[in-house]
Amino acid sequence: DIQMTQSPSTLSASVGDRVTITCRASQSISNWLAWYQQKPGKAPKLLIYDASSLESGVPSRFSGGGSGTEFTLTISSLQPDDFATYYCQHYNTYSPPFTFGPGTKVDIK
Amino acid sequence: LQLQESGPGLVIPSETLSLTCSVSGDSITSPFSYWGWIRQPPGEGLEWIANIYYSGSTYYNPSLKSRISISVDTSKSRFSLKLSSVTAADTAVYYCARQRARDQRLADFDSWGQGILVTVSS
Repeated sequence: DIQMTQSPSTLSASVGDRVTITCRASQSISNWLAWYQQKPGKAPKLLIYDASSLESGVPSRFSGGGSGTEFTLTISSLQPDDFATYYCQHYNTYSPPFTFGPGTKVDIK
Repeated sequence: LQLQESGPGLVIPSETLSLTCSVSGDSITSPFSYWGWIRQPPGEGLEWIANIYYSGSTYYNPSLKSRISISVDTSKSRFSLKLSSVTAADTAVYYCARQRARDQRLADFDSWGQGILVTVSS
């Protein structure tokens, strides 16, 4: 199985900060990676797909990068609505299970 | 697109958990959609369970494969999950979701149901 790791596990930040979350895969997954945002009691919401493509309707302050085994999610200017947990997930069709990372919680400093 | 999970909120240990996801707003027979189940134990992360295509083609999480069955009913625009021999470790919020397909490959989960909490307890 492809293992996904994320760092940090928790991130404390202030409104207006630029924040970056890193996701690493245990083997190359090309650009087959998505990022999701989840708030308490809610379903995850797709933010980024194919590592760097912004899902329709998602604010442009979110951006994704990377390929192979290392990926990033960046929020250029953190907004109050962005305090949540963020998960990466690979979808290499030839290597199920489609594992999620353990999550990064972004909370208020 | 809307997805809605349904099923019992309480399952007895060793019995079978059965959930259904109703799909509306898009065709369950879309060639660009797989239909999947993901779960999240309380306070924990997300675990992909299984996917199914309208034709019946499936992908299963190997760690659960011996206990799960997924099926699709295109006439009723819904798909279902059965998880047998449940234990307390199967207590989780279960989500159904659409997994998009691009370039003949599976891709991201772009639409999710609201989730249903299933507790395994006697």
